[in-house]
Amino acid sequence: GAVVSQHPSWVICKSGTSVKIECRSLDFQATTMFWYRQFPKQSLMLMATSNEGSKATYEQGVEKDKFLINHASLTLSTLTVTSAHPEDSSFYICSADNSGTKTLGEQFFGPGTRLTVL
Amino acid sequence: RKEVEQDPGPFNVPEGATVAFNCTYSNSASQSFFWYRQDCRKEPKLLMSVYSSGNEDGRFTAQLNRASQYISLLIRDSKLSDSATYLCVVREGGSTLGRLYFGRGTQLTVWP
Repeated sequence: GAVVSQHPSWVICKSGTSVKIECRSLDFQATTMFWYRQFPKQSLMLMATSNEGSKATYEQGVEKDKFLINHASLTLSTLTVTSAHPEDSSFYICSADNSGTKTLGEQFFGPGTRLTVL
Repeated sequence: RKEVEQDPGPFNVPEGATVAFNCTYSNSASQSFFWYRQDCRKEPKLLMSVYSSGNEDGRFTAQLNRASQYISLLIRDSKLSDSATYLCVVREGGSTLGRLYFGRGTQLTVWP
């Protein structure tokens, strides 16, 4: 199956700082990547859809100026949490569509990034 | 109304038991359905797709009822390693590359 990596796997930062999370498709090209957030004992919530070469599409209630998404190439999307606060502490997961498995409709998930804001 | 609703769980079953999870979805135009498995503090991983005619993969059987907009997963002969959270997932209606909608997940614990 297709492989998606994320970096870092975990990060602890001070309130007010910015944190960048990278999502890479390692063995395929992904024109579309998705960013999710998951709080404890809750399901994944889609934050935004990242499109290569164009602006991301944000879900209702997600601040685009706070969660900056850049999808500069077909294998890399980044999420930057700006001016992080303790309430931003969560598990952030990216996923990517592999057009090679279009008929399956499967998305491939990165291993996630656990963010803790002190 | 949520796009995907799942059994709240949790389910605690002994090894060897058969357990069933249910899920309903709201968008009748949805075409793609999946069960994902998520271990604690890990990313979701595809367990199996769900096809209209129902499908089986070893001890796992998935069923789809389009008329009722209902999806199920049956696990036979439960193993300790089956302990995880099972996510019912529906792909945005009519599109194989649309967004996914996740259920809240049902936690399963299999005990020896």
